[in-house]
Amino acid sequence: GEDVEQSLFLSVREGDSSVINCTYTDSSSTYLYWYKQEPGAGLQLLTYIFSNMDMKQDQRLTVLLNKKDKHLSLRIADTQTGDSAIYFCAESMYRGSTLGRLYFGRGTQLTVWP
Amino acid sequence: GAVVSQHPSRVICKSGTSVKIECRSLDFQATTMFWYRQFPKQSLMLMATSNEGSKATYEQGVEKDKFLINHASLTLSTLTVTSAHPEDSSFYICSAFSRGFYETQYFGPGTRLLVL
Repeated sequence: GEDVEQSLFLSVREGDSSVINCTYTDSSSTYLYWYKQEPGAGLQLLTYIFSNMDMKQDQRLTVLLNKKDKHLSLRIADTQTGDSAIYFCAESMYRGSTLGRLYFGRGTQLTVWP
Repeated sequence: GAVVSQHPSRVICKSGTSVKIECRSLDFQATTMFWYRQFPKQSLMLMATSNEGSKATYEQGVEKDKFLINHASLTLSTLTVTSAHPEDSSFYICSAFSRGFYETQYFGPGTRLLVL
């Protein structure tokens, strides 16, 4: 089966960097994603990385992928109070009947203190 | 980015009634839509996969006669909760992607269902 694990909580002070970690078990994962969910809302796609990449940077967001250890991280630079939300890590595979299906972690609640 | 809408955003109904939730892809053709259910402070649980023009594929433990899914067009999928009961109260979220654009999957804003 596919297991995606995340720590449940992270608290940081405004202006600091946040690092949210995720591990997954299926080595055939093709894409790995980070989604943000604010209270009562759907999921907002933040960024994704293809499995043959090591790093992807997009403004304040940096994604690091260690394929050997099956470890994915999301770094948010200069974290703001508006970044407080739940962050979901997800993996997908590009084959057969599972095409497009996402497997989610339980989500990390990020709290940013002013 | 692409936009996926859901309607209604919130619904309250009496036990025993049926509720229909719509999921629309607004600016792209969604060959596949997924329906998820999310309990408070929990992750998303995949209920079913909906492919345009074919029957939905349900996950183990999800009753297909209770959660009817129709994907009649490339921009619309509907989830009908039949004979709803209080235990069906939850947050239902759909997502959509287009074949050929596997790297991006967009989610709707969710529908909060409360069954009294």
